Amino acid sequence: TQLLEQSPQFLSIQEGENLTVYCNSSSVFSSLQWYRQEPGEGPVLLVTVVTGGEVKKLKRLTFQFGDARKDSSLHITAAQPGDTGLYLCAGARGTSYGKLTFGQGTILTVHP
Amino acid sequence: EAQVTQNPRYLITVTGKKLTVTCSQNMNHEYMSWYRQDPGLGLRQIYYSMNVEVTDKGDVPEGYKVSRKEKRNFPLILESPSPNQTSLYFCASSLVGGVTQYFGPGTRLLVL
Repeated sequence: TQLLEQSPQFLSIQEGENLTVYCNSSSVFSSLQWYRQEPGEGPVLLVTVVTGGEVKKLKRLTFQFGDARKDSSLHITAAQPGDTGLYLCAGARGTSYGKLTFGQGTILTVHP
Repeated sequence: EAQVTQNPRYLITVTGKKLTVTCSQNMNHEYMSWYRQDPGLGLRQIYYSMNVEVTDKGDVPEGYKVSRKEKRNFPLILESPSPNQTSLYFCASSLVGGVTQYFGPGTRLLVL
């Protein structure tokens, strides 16, 4: 059983469309991170959210942490082909950030 | 250049033949971690280390060993590899208490 359920697993859209990726759990996390991974490379951190209800924006990407700190979402506005990649959410339990649990990932393909 | 390096990048071995995958970081990070990535399962944490001589199990530690004798190095040891350990392995590091994890380029392992 996956502690962090990420959906959808696959997303194929046209350039200019909006999309949302969800990361849900029954557990409470002290913080939640979003990563993007390109083929042949390691994940790269996009953002970390730590406060329930927190919203962070990174250009066309909007990240939200649920009020109860059990879920998070990533919204991309006007997707571009350069957004194509694997998006991963990861939750930290406790205050040391030592134990990190990842979702299964969402493979996003944005067609020109 | 700040980076996490892993060696080897690709490895083919046979069941039962001990192997070590090295990980080194040059950012003076106290925290280091190993993950394996399998299709549909995202990244799963194998072991992590909060500091020299301090290691702890992640979610899938069976069949793996680690050591942290120096701050910069965190080798992953497979004493008797089995085919179910065929996977893509990532090493990561970060400051203790920080949330930005820097990932290495990955090691693709095939156990025959």
